[in-house]
Amino acid sequence: AQSVTQLDSHVSVSEGTPVLLRCNYSSSYSPSLFWYVQHPNKGLQLLLKYTSAATLVKGINGFEAEFKKSETSFHLTKPSAHMSDAAEYFCVVTGNTGGFKTIFGAGTRLFVKA
Amino acid sequence: DTEVTQTPKHLVMGMTNKKSLKCEQHMGHRAMYWYKQKAKKPPELMFVYSYEKLSINESVPSRFSPECPNSSLLNLHLHALQPEDSALYLCASSPTGGYTEAFFGQGTRLTVV
Repeated sequence: AQSVTQLDSHVSVSEGTPVLLRCNYSSSYSPSLFWYVQHPNKGLQLLLKYTSAATLVKGINGFEAEFKKSETSFHLTKPSAHMSDAAEYFCVVTGNTGGFKTIFGAGTRLFVKA
Repeated sequence: DTEVTQTPKHLVMGMTNKKSLKCEQHMGHRAMYWYKQKAKKPPELMFVYSYEKLSINESVPSRFSPECPNSSLLNLHLHALQPEDSALYLCASSPTGGYTEAFFGQGTRLTVV
């Protein structure tokens, strides 16, 4: 069975400071992992994905994530937060069980203070 | 064209109405998805079409009826909905499925009165 846990429901940072959004996963298979961002009343936008290539994945808007198999983690980071980063972030795992199934984390709301 | 387009953006319907949500993509993707998202919750998978055939139905009530007329279009027909069905309905597509990412539309905000 697969699962994903986002360890923080809310994260608050000041503009210009680093961002860390934490995600742990459980999978019986080699997983594919994704981070999506959702601004209010909008659809989801893919930030980055891991599909068993490089363990350090760079995404859009300065975000990156590192796949750590030993820790079953896929944390999202950004060196310097911008006001426009304030949004909901979802960590997602897919795998070859069921093919199209996507397991979403509960989400982390990022607040950015001026 | 890297967009998934959903219409309408907003929909208010009564419990006796019949309406349809539409989704279109021109990226040549062969898998298309419907998700339901309640406020402050992650999206929940409803249906998946793969190569225009229904692949997954996540035990969705029959008042929701999906249709995939061709590889670019996905509809969700709504009939006799309940107020608790009010939500953001998201359409997504992916090149195939499984290990590939999904591209999401902006959603339809549905209110059932």
